[in-house]
Amino acid sequence: KAGVTQTPRYLIKTRGQQVTLSCSPISGHRSVSWYQQTPGQGLQFLFEYFSETQRNKGNFPGRFSGRQFSNSRSEMNVSTLELGDSALYLCASTKGTAKNYNEQFFGPGTRLTVL
Amino acid sequence: GQQLNQSPQSMFIQEGEDVSMNCTSSSIFNTWLWYKQDPGEGPVLLIALYKAGELTSNGRLTAQFGITRKDSFLNISASIPSDVGIYFCAGQLRGYGGSQGNLIFGKGTKLSVKP
Repeated sequence: KAGVTQTPRYLIKTRGQQVTLSCSPISGHRSVSWYQQTPGQGLQFLFEYFSETQRNKGNFPGRFSGRQFSNSRSEMNVSTLELGDSALYLCASTKGTAKNYNEQFFGPGTRLTVL
Repeated sequence: GQQLNQSPQSMFIQEGEDVSMNCTSSSIFNTWLWYKQDPGEGPVLLIALYKAGELTSNGRLTAQFGITRKDSFLNISASIPSDVGIYFCAGQLRGYGGSQGNLIFGKGTKLSVKP
């Protein structure tokens, strides 16, 4: 069974640019959650998508957005990048239909560096 | 925003020792989770707790959901070298039962081997 795939694994951008990150969940999983991980703030929830609908959103500015496609793949976009956006961006895949975290799996993350 | 206070921040272990770490909050949680993250990888779920007072084991790991629903602990018995890594607690606040996202994470406990 293939795991959660995130692309690209590493990315370097400059301030003011925008970036799109991709997450392909495990086959059959319909929910994708995104988290930002930094040394200072730790892991922080960005948003959750289920069946192409945003189900929850964390406390991040509007520069952070996401979407989910009919095949459950999800993308997140960050516009007008700032130095503080440098982080590891993780996505988590779950079936989404029951509160069973034993079926939740994280991807390896995308390491974004903003120069 | 909501915070989980995880302690200790770091600890050194010697093979065979028992290890304890805990998380506390001023808020009530309806789910507590414990993860381990190795370098370059996403967090991996170790134990999930869904009911106040619940005590669950996974091999040498034991975790409990506090009676007040505001805390949880993780114990590792007879530690081995591969236990080294960063352990995170995470919780889902009461009221988010319909979602598997929106987790709040502790800042992590880093386990290292005693020199």
